[in-house]
Amino acid sequence: GQNIDQPTEMTATEGAIVQINCTYQTSGFNGLFWYQQHAGEAPTFLSYNVLDGLEEKGRFSSFLSRSKGYSYLLLKELQMKDSASYLCAVDLGGYIPTFGRGTSLIVHP
Amino acid sequence: DVKVTQSSRYLVKRTGEKVFLECVQDMDHENMFWYRQDPGLGLRLIYFSYDVKMKEKGDIPEGYSVSREKKERFSLILESASTNQTSMYLCASNRDKYEQYFGPGTRLTVT
Repeated sequence: GQNIDQPTEMTATEGAIVQINCTYQTSGFNGLFWYQQHAGEAPTFLSYNVLDGLEEKGRFSSFLSRSKGYSYLLLKELQMKDSASYLCAVDLGGYIPTFGRGTSLIVHP
Repeated sequence: DVKVTQSSRYLVKRTGEKVFLECVQDMDHENMFWYRQDPGLGLRLIYFSYDVKMKEKGDIPEGYSVSREKKERFSLILESASTNQTSMYLCASNRDKYEQYFGPGTRLTVT
């Protein structure tokens, strides 16, 4: 089976930096997605990593280590609107994500 | 602007009813997907389609079927709804690119 692990919940302070980790053990691997989902809304795409290393996109960065089966999403200068669920998903092939259970991030003042 | 729409935001059905959930996308995407999302379980893939009249099973297809007669429309069918199918249902689409675009979801309650 496929195993994708991420913390259930995290809290952080406005203006701080938070790192959301994701580890995976899967039968195949083409790449790793991160999606953001606000409560009651649809998920929206954040990033897709294929190669090892860090990719930066504004306040959000995503890191991948294929050899370690590990990724993280880094959020800088946290804002209240960043309170959401963050979904890690592995692309097992064909760009179809297999999702983890998601991490609920609560940002407080 | 990519738009994926779903026929209902909220739906209440009785056990044993046949239920149709409709999804329409306006970006000429080849690929369309149906997921369900449950607390503590995350998003799970039910079915997907790479082209008109084509369908592939996802991770949890039991109790569901799909129909794709036109490129822009992908329907999820619950042949005989059961209480364990109470869930949030999300439709998504994409072209060959990796980014999926999701619809707003249908919260289905089966009583």
